[in-house]
Parts: sequence; structure tokens; C-alpha cells
Amino acid sequence: QVQLQESGPGLVKPSETLSLTCTVSGGSVSDYHWSWIRQPAGKGLEWIGRLYTSGTISYNPSLKSRVTMSVDTSKNQFSLKLTSVTAADTADYYCARESTSFRYFDSWGQGTLVTVSS
Amino acid sequence: DIQMTQSPSSLSASVGDRVTITCRASQSISSYLNWYQQKPGKAPNLLIYAASTLSGVPSRFSGSASGTDFTLTISSLQPEDSATYYCQQSYSTPRTFGQGTKVEIK
Repeated sequence: QVQLQESGPGLVKPSETLSLTCTVSGGSVSDYHWSWIRQPAGKGLEWIGRLYTSGTISYNPSLKSRVTMSVDTSKNQFSLKLTSVTAADTADYYCARESTSFRYFDSWGQGTLVTVSS
Repeated sequence: DIQMTQSPSSLSASVGDRVTITCRASQSISSYLNWYQQKPGKAPNLLIYAASTLSGVPSRFSGSASGTDFTLTISSLQPEDSATYYCQQSYSTPRTFGQGTKVEIK
């Protein structure tokens, strides 16, 4: 049973860079596609982007200019960087695995709250 | 981007009621439609994928499709079904979600 765990600072200052890591256990990060999804408090889900270890990466156009995703196969982790953050980036951030068939999110991390505040 | 429009945004129903949630895609997405259940403080949990395939959830949940309209049905609402439900299209990127339907138990 694959498990995902997000980690990173819970507080980021405005204009700085948000950095999160998702550690995958019980499976290999070299398989599947891996996504980041966020959810502001009391609001809906927003897909941030997806990567595959082949190098294929896709970002949400609404965030594309500020987002970078990468993978570290030696640590079985993948990461998210979001630059120039504002209060609007305050949210729960989830990492998730996307199946290769019908491309549903079948495993999720528990989520980590990132607050943007000075 | 493909827009997913969910309705209603909330509903209140009694235990045993039949509940229906609808999701409409702004363009054809074939059967690339998934449903998730989210309880407060928890990550979303996959309920149904490919419009109608259950993912290890009770059989009171079902999904159906008609063109660009998709439906999640709970045949007999149970107390543990109190949650917010989201549809999501996986036809193309960016992946997009409906705005959610909050289901409350009367």
C-alpha cells in the first residue's frame, strides 16, 4: 500500500518561495504520475501540476510562471516550489498519485497547511 | 481549461434517502470523470473512477454518465456519508475539479 507524506515549512513570508517535498513509501516514485493539489480553507481543490520521472511535466497555466516540480528517485521523493507567494497561496497542499489508466488520484498525502504571512 | 460545474453546492437529507449530485463538463471528456469524498480535516478519498467504476467503496454509491453530464448517486444515505463530494476530470490537463457538494444529514 503506497503512502505519501508531505513535508516543509508551515509558514512562508510574502514574496518568498514555498518549498514542499512528498516522500513516497511502499512504492517507487519511478512509476506513475505524481501531482500537487492545493485547497484554501473552506474552498475547493486546485490542481497545481504533475510530473513523471521520464521528465514529462505539466503545470496549471494559472500558476505556471511560478511553479517548479522535480523528482529525486534516489530518495523516492518529489518536490514543489512556488515562487513569489502571496496570501492567496495560503492553503492545504496535498501530494497525490495519479493512476496510469483512467488517471484518477488513487493515493493522497494527509496534506500540509502552508500559511503565507509576514 | 475544461470547466466542471457541480450541483447542488449543498444538500441536507435524511438517513435512508436517495441522494443525487450532478457534474457537467464544459466539453466532452469521454468517461474520464472521477468522484472523491472529503471529510473535514482529511484528504479526498477516491470513490468512483471512469464515471462508474467503484473504488472499494460501499455499493450504495454509484456513478453514471450521459454525454457531458455525470451523476453520483447514494442510494441510501448513511450517517458516515456526511462529507463534501467533488468531481474531477482527467481527460486533459490542467486537471480540474467541480466546486464541491456538501452533504449534510438531517
